[in-house]
Amino acid sequence: GNSVTQMEGPVTLSEEAFLTINCTYTATGYPSLFWYVQYPGEGLQLLLKATKADDKGSNKGFEATYRKETTSFHLEKGSVQVSDSAVYFCALTVASGGSYIPTFGRGTSLIVHP
Amino acid sequence: DSGVTQTPKHLITATGQRVTLRCSPRSGDLSVYWYQQSLDQGLQFLIQYYNGEERAKGNILERFSAQQFPDLHSELNLSSLELGDSALYFCASSVKQSRDEQFFGPGTRLTVL
Repeated sequence: GNSVTQMEGPVTLSEEAFLTINCTYTATGYPSLFWYVQYPGEGLQLLLKATKADDKGSNKGFEATYRKETTSFHLEKGSVQVSDSAVYFCALTVASGGSYIPTFGRGTSLIVHP
Repeated sequence: DSGVTQTPKHLITATGQRVTLRCSPRSGDLSVYWYQQSLDQGLQFLIQYYNGEERAKGNILERFSAQQFPDLHSELNLSSLELGDSALYFCASSVKQSRDEQFFGPGTRLTVL
């Protein structure tokens, strides 16, 4: 089956520090990869995505590159802000029997201190 | 605001009861997904509908069922509720059933006492 593995949190950083949240996946087929962010008390919202190998998704200073050879999609940001404190979910969608099955990681909580 | 609405926002009920959660997708979106989020299980995909038809099933219990109506809104029915069903239930929608990103609603928090 399909699965997504994320590093466990919480990840605690000081403002302006460099962020990496690791994500690896297993999938039968050729998945699209996503990072979603969930702020306290809200639903998930798309942060960035990549649909084929070597694609780089980017948004709001966050980046992730689709690495097929290592089955990874690590999230990075060069300088985090307090407002980036949230839970980050790595996810994939892959075709299966005529439909597309979404699979989410367990989420990584990020806490940024001033 | 994602454009996806869910009602109610909070629901408190007792074990053995039945509840219905409602979701209205973004205008123009044909696919609706239901998820359960709990502290111990993370975000679990339950079921997907596309244009009124069930298209994919995830970790959905037999006590749970869903449907999508002609106006594309969807309802998730949870019956014979147990304490362990207490969770956040999210609905998401997408344009088609494809690799598209999903747009999530704000969720319904269900508490079973």
